[in-house]
Amino acid sequence: DSGVTQTPKHLITATGQRVTLRCSPRSGDLSVYWYQQSLDQGLQFLIQYYNGEERAKGNILERFSAQQFPDLHSELNLSSLELGDSALYFCASSVDLVSETQYFGPGTRLLVL
Amino acid sequence: GESVGLHLPTLSVQEGDNSIINCAYSNSASDYFIWYKQESGKGPQFIIDIRSNMDKRQGQRVTVLLNKTVKHLSLQIAATQPGDSAVYFCAETIPARQLTFGSGTQLTVLP
Repeated sequence: DSGVTQTPKHLITATGQRVTLRCSPRSGDLSVYWYQQSLDQGLQFLIQYYNGEERAKGNILERFSAQQFPDLHSELNLSSLELGDSALYFCASSVDLVSETQYFGPGTRLLVL
Repeated sequence: GESVGLHLPTLSVQEGDNSIINCAYSNSASDYFIWYKQESGKGPQFIIDIRSNMDKRQGQRVTVLLNKTVKHLSLQIAATQPGDSAVYFCAETIPARQLTFGSGTQLTVLP
């Protein structure tokens, strides 16, 4: 158990809908990262937050957004969902801004029908 | 177009044998490397890391070797067990940049 928690574990929704994925980092970790893992693209970095502020962006679509709250938990919002958004979404956390070692949560499996 | 599954390199080993999983990285400026293990339906799990000022690091039953000359990283698992069956990813980073993950290797331990 990495100490990173994610909810929900599974999510089934329809195209055009909006969902919110939630992540709680390990106790004491200030950085939260979101990744998408799909069959045809491997593990792709989406976005990083550090102590409430966005710090780095990867291959995140404009339909997706995230935020980190004062208690350091983070939410990833996915809107106008398309079939191709079906994937595993992982949250990871690390101690500070430039800690390379990231600890991953169990993921949320999203299925868009 | 048709969606094609990611073609993962595979490695099958007999239980009790040693496993060697290889990874080639592309950025000569990368200075920190991590191996992750991902079991089916779970998130990647940190196994071991190594910095570029080292060429070998050992953990419990695992050893990571780094060859900066040829930009190659390997993970050695001693006395492989059924619980070691998983996808193994290497990841690299340069200072202040994000982790970049490799495509992974599927390790299957045969009884």
